[in-house]
Amino acid sequence: GQNIDQPTEMTATEGAIVQINCTYQTSGFNGLFWYQQHAGEAPTFLSYNVLDGLEEKGRFSSFLSRSKGYSYLLLKELQMKDSASYLCAVRDWGGGNKLTFGTGTQLKVEL
Amino acid sequence: SQTIHQWPATLVQPVGSPLSLECTVEGTSNPNLYWYRQAAGRGLQLLFYSVGIGQISSEVPQNLSASRPQDRQFILSSKKLLLSDSGFYLCAWSVPTGTGELFFGEGSRLTVL
Repeated sequence: GQNIDQPTEMTATEGAIVQINCTYQTSGFNGLFWYQQHAGEAPTFLSYNVLDGLEEKGRFSSFLSRSKGYSYLLLKELQMKDSASYLCAVRDWGGGNKLTFGTGTQLKVEL
Repeated sequence: SQTIHQWPATLVQPVGSPLSLECTVEGTSNPNLYWYRQAAGRGLQLLFYSVGIGQISSEVPQNLSASRPQDRQFILSSKKLLLSDSGFYLCAWSVPTGTGELFFGEGSRLTVL
């Protein structure tokens, strides 16, 4: 099975930088995903890491350390529209490309 | 480009009534298909996934069932709904190869009274 932990809530200021952490335990790691979910909407894909290191995509970056079972999502130049839940998900080597999701981190961006 | 649609968007059903949620994908062939449920304040829970027509894998025991009668059609059903079936149901698809990220439909919010 898999176990994924991430903070429940975070608050940050518009224009600032925020880091959302995710730790996981899995028997056969095969990729880590970050999704953004606004209230009442479906999740949308943000990033994917399968090798150690940092993946940058505009204002969003994601880091992975497989030996530590650890990832973070870094959001720069925060905007009010970034207020959302951020979901960490892990895929293992089992068939079907199944993703196991954490419970999500609710980010609130304030003025 | 690929699109995914699911319906209905919202429904309110009495306990013991049947359920049918439908999902279709356009613009791709032989996708992996998934049904997830998100209960209030909880994470996404995988209910079913399918790697081909007629191939359904169930992840958790429950009173729900899934079917894939066509390559790009995925249906979630129940014969008798329970109160605990309330939640936000999400259909998703992925390409079987490559990075394999999931693309979600708009979601169906089910309230069982």
